Formats: sequence, structure tokens, C-alpha cells
Amino acid sequence: DIQMTQSPSSLSASVGDRVSITCRASQNIRNYLNWYQQKPGKAPKLLIYAASILQSDVPSRFSGSGSGTDYTLTISSLQPEDFATYYCQQSYRTPALSFGGGTKVEIK
Amino acid sequence: EVQLVESGGGLVQPGGSLKLSCSASGFTFSNYDMNWVRQAPGKGLEWVAYIRSSGGAQFYSDSVKGRFTISRDNAKDSLSLQLSSLSAEDTAVYYCTRAYGFSVDADGSGLYYVFDAFDIWGQGTMVTVSS
Repeated sequence: DIQMTQSPSSLSASVGDRVSITCRASQNIRNYLNWYQQKPGKAPKLLIYAASILQSDVPSRFSGSGSGTDYTLTISSLQPEDFATYYCQQSYRTPALSFGGGTKVEIK
Repeated sequence: EVQLVESGGGLVQPGGSLKLSCSASGFTFSNYDMNWVRQAPGKGLEWVAYIRSSGGAQFYSDSVKGRFTISRDNAKDSLSLQLSSLSAEDTAVYYCTRAYGFSVDADGSGLYYVFDAFDIWGQGTMVTVSS
């Protein structure tokens, strides 16, 4: 199984801040990496697939980067609606698409 | 509108059984692989089960293998998850999700690779295992 480790587990930031979340895989996953956003009481929403490609209608302030085992989700200028929990997911080892533990982005 | 709607959750005693359902609309259900993902209260997301678009293959996480059964009825646009031998550790919101294969020319070579992701999610149904 591929283990996904996210850091930090939580962070506090202000509107307008640049925020980065890291995801590390236990093996090379060759950019087979997705990012999701989940707000309280809601289902997750796909933000990014293939490590860096934005899903339709996702604002351009979100970006993904990385390669090999290490990946990053960046929000260039945090907006009020971005306060949520973010999850990475590997899609290299299908069909067991395992998730990271999540990163909660809170208001400072 | 593309939509997944789960039902069937509720309170069940330890050792009991429950069947979850997911109704799909707005897309050709039979063309897509489907999954169940769960989330224990205050915890992260856990992939639980997968079924191929044809229904011809199923895979499970180690935590539910032998206890849960995923199935689908393409004629009725529906997905199911039969839960049995339930314990408190199975208490969670259960989400039905669609797997979409995005074709990407990842390296600009003209060769396209398929990157899977869960692009559509239901609202979830809560399963509580307690005496």
C-alpha cells in the first residue's frame, strides 16, 4: 500500500496570505496525485488532478506542483471561502486510491 | 445535473448489517467505475471499496474485506454497499463517488496517460454502530 503523509495537519492564516500544504508519498507516484477541499458537513470537492491540473471552475489562486514523492498545494491569496480541510490522494496504485490525513486551514 | 444521492444509513447494533444505496443521475452510470469512501467523525477520508463500470471486478480496503460487499445495477443507475459484522470502528459518513479518468499529455510527448480522480461525490449517509 502507498502511504500518504500531509503536513502540517493544521495551520492558521489570514485572508490574503499565501498558503502551502505538503503531501509526501511512501514511494514515487509519478504525478498521480489529486487534491480535494472539504468544508464542514459537506462532501469533498476535487480541486486538482495529475498533480497540477485544475479541475473545471476551480479558481486560479489554487495551484499544485511536485514530482516523485513530494507534492505541494498552494493557495496564492487565501480567501474567506478557502477555509476548509484539504486532502491529497494518490491515484498511482489503483483502484485503492489512498488519502493523506488532511490539513485544516483555519482563520488566524 | 450530475448527481449522486446516498441512502440507507442509520443506527445499527454491533455485529449487525446494513445496506447502503446510491442513486446516480445526469450521466451514463454504466460508463464509470464507482467507489465508496468513508469518514469517521472528526477523522480523515478512507477509501473503502471499488467496482468496475461493468460490475465485473471489485476491490476492498483491508479494513472491510470479507465484511462489506459492493455491487451495482446499471439498468437502475444504482450502486450499493452491503455492510456486515459491523463494529464501532465502522461508524462514519459513507460517500458514493464517481471515478473519472482524465486523459493527460503529461510530458508533452503526445502520449496520453489516464489519471483517475473522484470527480463527483454524493452528500453522504451516516452509519452509527452502537448498542
